[in-house]
Amino acid sequence: GAVVSQHPSWVICKSGTSVKIECRSLDFQATTMFWYRQFPKQSLMLMATSNEGSKATYEQGVEKDKFLINHASLTLSTLTVTSAHPEDSSFYICSANSVANTEAFFGQGTRLTVV
Amino acid sequence: GESVGLHLPTLSVQEGDNSIINCAYSNSASDYFIWYKQESGKGPQFIIDIRSNMDKRQGQRVTVLLNKTVKHLSLQIAATQPGDSAVYFCAENEEYGNKLVFGAGTILRVKS
Repeated sequence: GAVVSQHPSWVICKSGTSVKIECRSLDFQATTMFWYRQFPKQSLMLMATSNEGSKATYEQGVEKDKFLINHASLTLSTLTVTSAHPEDSSFYICSANSVANTEAFFGQGTRLTVV
Repeated sequence: GESVGLHLPTLSVQEGDNSIINCAYSNSASDYFIWYKQESGKGPQFIIDIRSNMDKRQGQRVTVLLNKTVKHLSLQIAATQPGDSAVYFCAENEEYGNKLVFGAGTILRVKS
């Protein structure tokens, strides 16, 4: 099956700093990528939909200036958590849909801890 | 708003028994449903999917049943193994390829 890679798999940062998470489709072109957030023992909550070459569409309640999404190519989307605070600590997961196959393929997730 | 799977139950089964994991959805416009398995610290792993024009689909050791009348989805795992222990999520969307809405999840624990 198609492979989606997230980097880093985990990161610890200080409050007030920014963290960038990358989501890459390794063997297919992704027209659409999705970013999810998951707190412990909870479900995945969609944060935003990222389309190549256009602005991301954010879900209600998600601050677009806080969570910057860039989808500059058909194989890469990035999520930048700006001015991170401890409450931003979470598991962030991306998924990608290919041009040919609209099945969603998920990355392995990024554990963010803000101290 | 619309939601899928409002509960987070834990299901404990004996190794070798069959498991049935349930999910209720509320969006009658949903057209496509997927079951995912998530192990600790990892992203969701696709198990099986079903379109709304079907009521049953079988895979290897897994079967998904869809009852549109009562908006209910279930995942049956035959001969459950310790490696099946994980959190299972159902997800749905209104349009194939569009954003997914995830249910709350069910923890499956397999006892040896």
